[in-house]
Formats: sequence, structure tokens, C-alpha cells
Amino acid sequence: DAKTTQPPSMDCAEGRAANLPCNHSTISGNEYVYWYRQIHSQGPQYIIHGLKNNETNEMASLIITEDRKSSTLILPHATLRDTAVYYCIVRLYFDTGTASKLTFGTGTRLQVTL
Amino acid sequence: DAGVIQSPRHEVTEMGQEVTLRCKPISGHNSLFWYRQTMMRGLELLIYFNNNVPIDDSGMPEDRFSAKMPNASFSTLKIQPSEPRDSAVYFCASSLKAGALRGYTFGSGTRLTVV
Repeated sequence: DAKTTQPPSMDCAEGRAANLPCNHSTISGNEYVYWYRQIHSQGPQYIIHGLKNNETNEMASLIITEDRKSSTLILPHATLRDTAVYYCIVRLYFDTGTASKLTFGTGTRLQVTL
Repeated sequence: DAGVIQSPRHEVTEMGQEVTLRCKPISGHNSLFWYRQTMMRGLELLIYFNNNVPIDDSGMPEDRFSAKMPNASFSTLKIQPSEPRDSAVYFCASSLKAGALRGYTFGSGTRLTVV
């Protein structure tokens, strides 16, 4: 699986958009970009995933660059409850319907402040 | 949907004792994963099952660790004998299938302390 690079930590003011970057410059054509987050003392939580198009759901938006070498997770209006470690993961998906394991890196620790 | 249920939430045991962690996956999910999280090593995949069959146990640290899935609704991770370095948070996760695009749903974890 392609490796990802994320900043170790970021701050964001409550109510503002949090933009979390991820670099995956060695990503291949059938690798998806996943984002998970882990709030303190809880299990990781799925946020969103995408292949090459931008995606949006009730939690966040995912912007993938045209060359797919980087992406940004956007939390449009961050709240204190969004304080967590955010993991960007690249996952290989096969035509057979199987996929590689989810392998977590060190993530970005997002601190949302008043 | 009750989610993935793990028990116990916390376990404190003495070195050398046997420890059994339990997991109930989401009903209908046929893939189950055991992860371990420590400050030093982060989140590591230990083993995963498809349709109750172990597929990849390459992450199991050593023979002291064993995992079983006797049926679709229950799995155990056993450590015998336990050692202080096994202290960690152990997470169980499940998915519709290992290749499900949405990914995995995690439980709340079991915090194991071996003294």
C-alpha cells in the first residue's frame, strides 16, 4: 500500500473549517483514500473515502487532487468534539472485491479550541 | 444496531495469568479484525477472519497470543501467559466483508494492564 504523510498536529478554532492535509505521492490507480478519526479512549471511526472524485457526507468533505498524490479532509465547522487524531489511509482495492488491510499510521492530532 | 461489542472494557491481571478478550461483531458482518494499540507502536493489526476462518495472523506477536472465532457472532483473543509488555488497548472491528469499501466498524476497546 502507498504510504501517507500527515502533519503530526494542527490547531483549529471552533466554528472554523479544519483542513487536514495528506500526502500519498506513490498512490496507484486502484488505491482508495480513507479517513478515520480516533477520539480519546475510543475506537477509530470511519469518516469518508474516495478514489479520485471529491466526496462529501454528513461528517466531512474529501478533496483529492487531480494527480491523486494528495488529499485534504475538510471539517466545515469544527467543534470541540472534533478534537481527535485523524488518520489518512491508502487502501488497495481489487477487482475481485477484496481489499488490502487497513493499516494505520501516526495520523494528525487535531486540537479544536474556543 | 448495537455496534461492535467488546468485553471487558478494562482488565488488570498479574504477569503469567491467562487473559481472554471477547468481541461480538455487528450482525451480518462476516469479517472480523483484532488490533492492538500502544503509544510506541500505534495501531497494529493482529489477525483477521473471513467467515469465521483466520485469513492473516501475521501480526500476532508470538505463540502466547491466539484468536478464535467459533461462530459468526463471537470471537476471542487469548494471551497465555500474559506479560507486562502486552499492556495495551485491544480493539475489535468488523465489516461486511474484508473488501467492503466503507471499511471497518470498531468497538470501544479493552484496556489491558498486566502488572
